[in-house]
Amino acid sequence: EVQLVESGGVVVQPGGSLRLSCAASGFTFDDYTMHWVRQAPGKGLEWVSLISWDGDNTYYADSVKGRFTISRDNTKNSLYLQMGSLRTEDTAFYYCAKDKFSSSWSPLDYWGQGTLVTVSS
Amino acid sequence: EIVLTQSPGTLSLSPGGRATLSCRASQSVSSSYLAWYQQKHGQAPRLLIYGASSRATGIPDRFSGSGSGTDFTLTISRLEPEDFAVYYCQQYGSSPWTFGQGTKVEIK
Repeated sequence: EVQLVESGGVVVQPGGSLRLSCAASGFTFDDYTMHWVRQAPGKGLEWVSLISWDGDNTYYADSVKGRFTISRDNTKNSLYLQMGSLRTEDTAFYYCAKDKFSSSWSPLDYWGQGTLVTVSS
Repeated sequence: EIVLTQSPGTLSLSPGGRATLSCRASQSVSSSYLAWYQQKHGQAPRLLIYGASSRATGIPDRFSGSGSGTDFTLTISRLEPEDFAVYYCQQYGSSPWTFGQGTKVEIK
């Protein structure tokens, strides 16, 4: 059974930093591109970032580019999101999700339950 | 960036009814790389449709997707009580991946 479990969400002050983690199991982690998607409370979904299976390729939404860094450790079946220069508008549930296909251009077929990041003074 | 606009914002229907949800893209979606997700309150999204018209694993055949280019549709042929939720479209053919703002299907 595929499982994605996020952790690391807390209350942090504006300008602060935080690292989110996602522990993956039930599939061959290093075969798949992985994503972070966020959702502000009561709002819609916003794609944040992706990282290729080998970590060589990363993409970011303009809203987080230069502030967030996605990474992965295939030896630990783990995905990370290093978040910096946090703003109140970064407050959201952060989901990790996996590509359905191991090739490029794939929808997201499994999602974690999310971890809440609150940016507030 | 491809902007996806979903309509209507809210759809009020009765169980057994037919739901037709629209997703319009600001430019053509490459190779119909368009997906639909269902999200219930307090839960993570669930993949329903990918490639504009292919049902994901375990998705009932009352859910169907159609369209190409810039216009896509999700149809739920006979609404079951568990289908009342928010639905999002997403394009995954070009970076940045983008989602529509969602359509809420509520019980009339």
